[in-house]
Amino acid sequence: DGGITQSPKYLFRKEGQNVTLSCEQNLNHDAMYWYRQDPGQGLRLIYYSQIVNDFQKGDIAEGYSVSREKKESFPLTVTSAQKNPTAFYLCASTQRAGLAKNIQYFGAGTRLSVL
Amino acid sequence: GESVGLHLPTLSVQEGDNSIINCAYSNSASDYFIWYKQESGKGPQFIIDIRSNMDKRQGQRVTVLLNKTVKHLSLQIAATQPGDSAVYFCAENPYGGATNKLIFGTGTLLAVQP
Repeated sequence: DGGITQSPKYLFRKEGQNVTLSCEQNLNHDAMYWYRQDPGQGLRLIYYSQIVNDFQKGDIAEGYSVSREKKESFPLTVTSAQKNPTAFYLCASTQRAGLAKNIQYFGAGTRLSVL
Repeated sequence: GESVGLHLPTLSVQEGDNSIINCAYSNSASDYFIWYKQESGKGPQFIIDIRSNMDKRQGQRVTVLLNKTVKHLSLQIAATQPGDSAVYFCAENPYGGATNKLIFGTGTLLAVQP
């Protein structure tokens, strides 16, 4: 099956703890994205990467970090500096960087809660 | 299950009726638009897209209309079914191909009554 796999589905974080959310795609897509979704709000971009070993901050990058060591993987770390991490996190990918027509395909999401 | 539809505008329709979901987009430079469907606790699914050089595009049971003059996008769903119940939101690309980023709307909750 081709697609975007996010894990875990549910994650709990203790105070002061860093946690890492996994995102893997086997679509051979160039670009990958991380979004945060809160009730009643649109998706907000945390980080994105258009190519391996390169990534850019989105609108709400503070308290988060990413890496893009492999084309198929784009893990997101929620650090202890993120004081309000409870949200639904979505990973997306798009086939080629540099195209104006850029359908983003999404994973099933990870719901992060604070203990 | 988890809800992503809290405090969202809600459209309630009877099964078999047509649904029209509206979206006012923000940037006059946007040249590409997408509609997504998101069921509770799941990731968004692509429904249909449209370029700014078109004003209408049809898919299977869905039609997207674009009015650039008033920056308005709509999604029409024909013969709405219970499986259509979800949050629908639009996305726009004002950046061209430079970054592939999208701006997402807050969404509308479609509730289909049997």
